[in-house]
Amino acid sequence: SQTIHQWPATLVQPVGSPLSLECTVEGTSNPNLYWYRQAAGRGLQLLFYSVGIGQISSEVPQNLSASRPQDRQFILSSKKLLLSDSGFYLCAWTGRENTQYFGPGTRLTVL
Amino acid sequence: SQKIEQNSEALNIQEGKTATLTCNYTNYSPAYLQWYRQDPGRGPVFLLLIRENEKEKRKERLKVTFDTTLKQSLFHITASQPADSATYLCALSYNNNDMRFGAGTRLTVKP
Repeated sequence: SQTIHQWPATLVQPVGSPLSLECTVEGTSNPNLYWYRQAAGRGLQLLFYSVGIGQISSEVPQNLSASRPQDRQFILSSKKLLLSDSGFYLCAWTGRENTQYFGPGTRLTVL
Repeated sequence: SQKIEQNSEALNIQEGKTATLTCNYTNYSPAYLQWYRQDPGRGPVFLLLIRENEKEKRKERLKVTFDTTLKQSLFHITASQPADSATYLCALSYNNNDMRFGAGTRLTVKP
């Protein structure tokens, strides 16, 4: 069966510091992968999605970037964090008919 | 741009009653409309999917309807239980891998 991992689970970072969040998927090959952000009490904002290695589509222009160095690995990065980057970051892979299967999430607090 | 509105930020009902949640969207209809459940601090979990050519879908105590003329989906939980308390998200899915989530409705079922 498929599983999706994210780490770290929680992160507290100062403004201006870099960021790297990792997502890996097991049990499936060539999945479509997604990064979402959820601000407190808000809905999910789609940040990036990828249909294959090196293929990234960006939904929202901002100081975040994504990379897919391997088939089942998706990384979210930033060179300099802003206060507004705080939130709950979720990675997901897509099953049939675009059904999304989410990881456990990373809670990021930027101080 | 596409807007998704989930009426009622919060809904409180008595145990045993039917909960009805609404999802409205603007512009073009999705290929699939999906409903997810999210518990605090966790990633959303897929519940049901309905296709644009389907009117109704059921799964145990859950029922989803989809009206592309009204641009609306209704999500029903019959014989609700306190364990059904969670935030429910609707999501629109298009054939180009695009996914859009609503802000969610927080359901509380009181014993």
